[in-house]
Amino acid sequence: KAGVTQTPRYLIKTRGQQVTLSCSPISGHRSVSWYQQTPGQGLQFLFEYFSETQRNKGNFPGRFSGRQFSNSRSEMNVSTLELGDSALYLCASSRGASGNTDTQYFGPGTRLTVL
Amino acid sequence: EDQVTQSPEALRLQEGESSSLNCSYTVSGLRGLFWYRQDPGKGPEFLFTLYSAGEEKEKERLKATLTKKESFLHITAPKPEDSATYLCAALRGTGRRALTFGSGTRLQVQP
Repeated sequence: KAGVTQTPRYLIKTRGQQVTLSCSPISGHRSVSWYQQTPGQGLQFLFEYFSETQRNKGNFPGRFSGRQFSNSRSEMNVSTLELGDSALYLCASSRGASGNTDTQYFGPGTRLTVL
Repeated sequence: EDQVTQSPEALRLQEGESSSLNCSYTVSGLRGLFWYRQDPGKGPEFLFTLYSAGEEKEKERLKATLTKKESFLHITAPKPEDSATYLCAALRGTGRRALTFGSGTRLQVQP
């Protein structure tokens, strides 16, 4: 069974630009969560999508947004990039039934560098 | 506010030298405690899920246990390939389905 895939794996952008990251979940998984990982803050939750609806959102500014498509693939967008947005962005997929405690499986991440 | 604290931050062991990693949590109504392993430049790899105090799970040289306040990851006779960062994460009982992660323990096993 193929795992979670994320594209691109590496990105270099400059301040003020915007970026779109993509995530394809494990086949049959309907929930996709996004996390930001930095050396200083560790892994922090961004948002979760299930059946094309944002179900939960973390404490990040509105510059961070996402969406999910009918095939469960998800994208996240960061507008007006700041230096502090440099991080590893991780996508995790799970079966996602409401109230379920099922495991989240992570992709390899997209390394974003903002210059 | 949910909190997950891991200790030690870093641990260096000799091959074959057993030890334990600690994860203490303050989470409203814990629904699950997860352990992941992360290698440099890669995404976290799932190891275990624990749901209730007293539960234990094992996989090769690793055993995870859970109490009402903390979880331990015991590593028995580690090998150099066990070197990685080990992350624990908690899922709360109400509200958001977001994992709250600890900062991780960097384990280095020397041959």
